[in-house]
Amino acid sequence: EVQLVESGGGLVQPGGSLRLSCAASGFTFSSYEMNWVRQAPGKGLEWVSYISSSGSTIYYADSVKGRFTISRDNAKNSLYLQMNSLRAEDTAVYYCARDGGVGAANWFDPWGQGTLVTVSS
Amino acid sequence: DIQMTQSPSSLSASVGDRVTITCQASQDISNYLNWYQQKPGKAPKLLIYDASNLETGVPSRFSGSGSGTDFTFTISSLQPEDIATYYCQQYDNLPTFGPGTKVDIK
Repeated sequence: EVQLVESGGGLVQPGGSLRLSCAASGFTFSSYEMNWVRQAPGKGLEWVSYISSSGSTIYYADSVKGRFTISRDNAKNSLYLQMNSLRAEDTAVYYCARDGGVGAANWFDPWGQGTLVTVSS
Repeated sequence: DIQMTQSPSSLSASVGDRVTITCQASQDISNYLNWYQQKPGKAPKLLIYDASNLETGVPSRFSGSGSGTDFTFTISSLQPEDIATYYCQQYDNLPTFGPGTKVDIK
């Protein structure tokens, strides 16, 4: 069974940092492109970042560019999101999601259960 | 950025009704359009990819159509378990989602 499990969320002060992890199982992680998508409380979905299967190609939403860094460790079947200079508007549930296509962010399937990041003083 | 709009923002229908949601892109996105279902407190689930392709395991009462800037998502016979918010998402450029359509039972 394909499974994605996020961890690392929590409460952080504005300007602080947090590192999210996503543990993948049930599929050949190194063959798939991956994404992070977030959802602010009571709001819609916002794509955050994409990484190719090898890690050589990366894209970010303008809202996080320069502050967030996506990475992966194929040996550990894990995806990461390093979040720096956090702002109140970064408060959201963060989902990792496997990409269904090839060559850039396409469709997202499946998704993890999400991890909540709260930025507040 | 490509902007996505959805209508209606919410709807209430009876079990067995045909439900239609529209999604419009701010520019031509060909068929690079997907649909997701999100139930309360749960992660989204992919239903339709590339505008009209049903994801494996998704009931056939769900369907999608359209190309260019105008797309339609249809539930042919609404079931109680279809209560959810539905989102469209384009990937012609960096992905963006529509604002969602909340579907309730009347």
